[in-house]
Amino acid sequence: AQSVSQHNHHVILSEAASLELGCNYSYGGTVNLFWYVQYPGQHLQLLLKYFSGDPLVKGIKGFEAEFIKSKFSFNLRKPSVQWSDTAEYFCAVNRAYSGGGADGLTFGKGTHLIIQP
Amino acid sequence: ETGVTQTPRHLVMGMTNKKSLKCEQHLGHNAMYWYKQSAKKPLELMFVYSLEERVENNSVPSRFSPECPNSSHLFLHLHTLQPEDSALYLCASSQDTYGYTFGSGTRLTVV
Repeated sequence: AQSVSQHNHHVILSEAASLELGCNYSYGGTVNLFWYVQYPGQHLQLLLKYFSGDPLVKGIKGFEAEFIKSKFSFNLRKPSVQWSDTAEYFCAVNRAYSGGGADGLTFGKGTHLIIQP
Repeated sequence: ETGVTQTPRHLVMGMTNKKSLKCEQHLGHNAMYWYKQSAKKPLELMFVYSLEERVENNSVPSRFSPECPNSSHLFLHLHTLQPEDSALYLCASSQDTYGYTFGSGTRLTVV
């Protein structure tokens, strides 16, 4: 079974600071990788995803992530955070199937990000 | 709205009650999921349905009973729950494994 580890459970930054949230996964096969964000009182929203190809993935709201296969990592970055980025961030993984089919996401414990004005 | 609608938004039930959570997706996806989100624990996958057939059950206690009558609807039937089952229950849908859309969840409190 796959597992996901997010290293930072709580992060506090000032506006305009740069952000990097760590995510490592363990699984012996090919995976798809995701970052989700959950703003207070709202549903989970997809920030970005990696399936194949360019390991540097750009998502919404200025976020990006880099897949480093040798390190089993998929860290999330943003060069300059805003107060509105205050939220819970989740890294997730599933097994990549070439022939279609369903597979649930395995999530990390999440990182609570607070941006101070 | 996300295209995945969950009802009710909030539910309070006693330990001897029977209730059901409902999820409906309007995205034409072929798979649906139930997750449990509780404080200080990762989101836990409970059930996976692909084309209305259950393909995964992650050791969930039998007091949780899923039902998927068609590809657009998913239910979670609840009976004789425990206080530790209080959590946010999230429904999601996907087209194969390539894009998951989550509902807003049902906040369940067991008293």
